[in-house]
Amino acid sequence: DAGVIQSPRHEVTEMGQEVTLRCKPISGHNSLFWYRQTMMRGLELLIYFNNNVPIDDSGMPEDRFSAKMPNASFSTLKIQPSEPRDSAVYFCASSMGSRRNSPLHFGNGTRLTVT
Amino acid sequence: RKEVEQDPGPFNVPEGATVAFNCTYSNSASQSFFWYRQDCRKEPKLLMSVYSSGNEDGRFTAQLNRASQYISLLIRDSKLSDSATYLCVVKSANQAGTALIFGKGTTLSVSS
Repeated sequence: DAGVIQSPRHEVTEMGQEVTLRCKPISGHNSLFWYRQTMMRGLELLIYFNNNVPIDDSGMPEDRFSAKMPNASFSTLKIQPSEPRDSAVYFCASSMGSRRNSPLHFGNGTRLTVT
Repeated sequence: RKEVEQDPGPFNVPEGATVAFNCTYSNSASQSFFWYRQDCRKEPKLLMSVYSSGNEDGRFTAQLNRASQYISLLIRDSKLSDSATYLCVVKSANQAGTALIFGKGTTLSVSS
């Protein structure tokens, strides 16, 4: 049973470059979440989707960040242009959002380093 | 006040010890509660859900006090393998929708 799949696992890029992170949720899950984790701020919710529709993007830091979910099996998080302060681990997670106690299932994360 | 607050620790305990973690949340309308475990350089994984009646899973006991907006996790007979960061998670609704909010986590180190 495949879990949430994220790619790439590691990304090292230079400031100003565009970065695209990818996520495939668990089949049948209708909610998808993007989180960012740093030592200082912990796990922060960036945006989440229900049935492919963005519900709350208030956690997206600024206009340099954008996320899409063109279908139920794929989502991207894009940073353009990237900055050193974007360095973090980015997690994608999915759940059966309609169930009250449905837990989140996380992918392995993408460790982003912007130099 | 942050939505979910935890004592960051670290908690350093010997094997066999009993250790308790606490968590408070600010949104009184929060619906569901969980404890997640995160190992170093790994993704968070669900440890257990938390119910008003309290629930137990082996050496782990979780409790919820809605009146005080307080969640706890008790680990009995600590093992070396329990060393990890424990994240308190609250499912809350706002005007936009419903999402899971994570505390920063409490780090546990169990030593022999």
